[in-house]
Amino acid sequence: EPEVTQTPSHQVTQMGQEVILRCVPISNHLYFYWYRQILGQKVEFLVSFYNNEISEKSEIFDDQFSVERPDGSNFTLKIRSTKLEDSAMYFCASSDGTRRSGELFFGEGSRLTVL
Amino acid sequence: AQKITQTQPGMFVQEKEAVTLDCTYDTSDPSYGLFWYKQPSSGEMIFLIYQGSYDQQNATEGRYSLNFQKARKSANLVISASQLGDSAMYFCAMRAPWGAQKLVFGQGTRLTINP
Repeated sequence: EPEVTQTPSHQVTQMGQEVILRCVPISNHLYFYWYRQILGQKVEFLVSFYNNEISEKSEIFDDQFSVERPDGSNFTLKIRSTKLEDSAMYFCASSDGTRRSGELFFGEGSRLTVL
Repeated sequence: AQKITQTQPGMFVQEKEAVTLDCTYDTSDPSYGLFWYKQPSSGEMIFLIYQGSYDQQNATEGRYSLNFQKARKSANLVISASQLGDSAMYFCAMRAPWGAQKLVFGQGTRLTINP
């Protein structure tokens, strides 16, 4: 069964460093998302991406964050200068936009630890 | 603003019993979708079931059913004949209005199935 894959599964970085989290969405999906989950808290929307541009973003998604689909298969989240509070599990998700329910298919997450 | 509330931080149930996980929501949009996701200890988010605001019947998917009470703005998940593998975190989520990009998640309920 097709799935969303994310790398790395866990990354440890120093505060102020740049981090890139990578995702390969399901191949025929058109909508892509990043969510994050701080340990023990709820899942929060960061950004959605469609037709090679951001379609919606949350207040969390400030200038330190960016997304890109560089080659038609990968979908990346970049954090330019990490802060301690960026420590979280980051989930990539995709949807095909044709299902009535429009459910999102999530990857297994990338755990980011900022020291 | 859209909001999802899950008032049960944790639940403990004996194997083979049925369990109901509560979810209430708040939105002023007449068209919306409600979702339940399961997050096992491995971390991935697994889609379980969907209910559209205009659906006349409650959604069912195998052992999962959604008790949709529109007037009360509740969308409780019912798991019949619980199994040990059902132990996980469960999140209720909403997309409102229906065509919106993002899902808004509740705080989650940790379900533990005892043998």
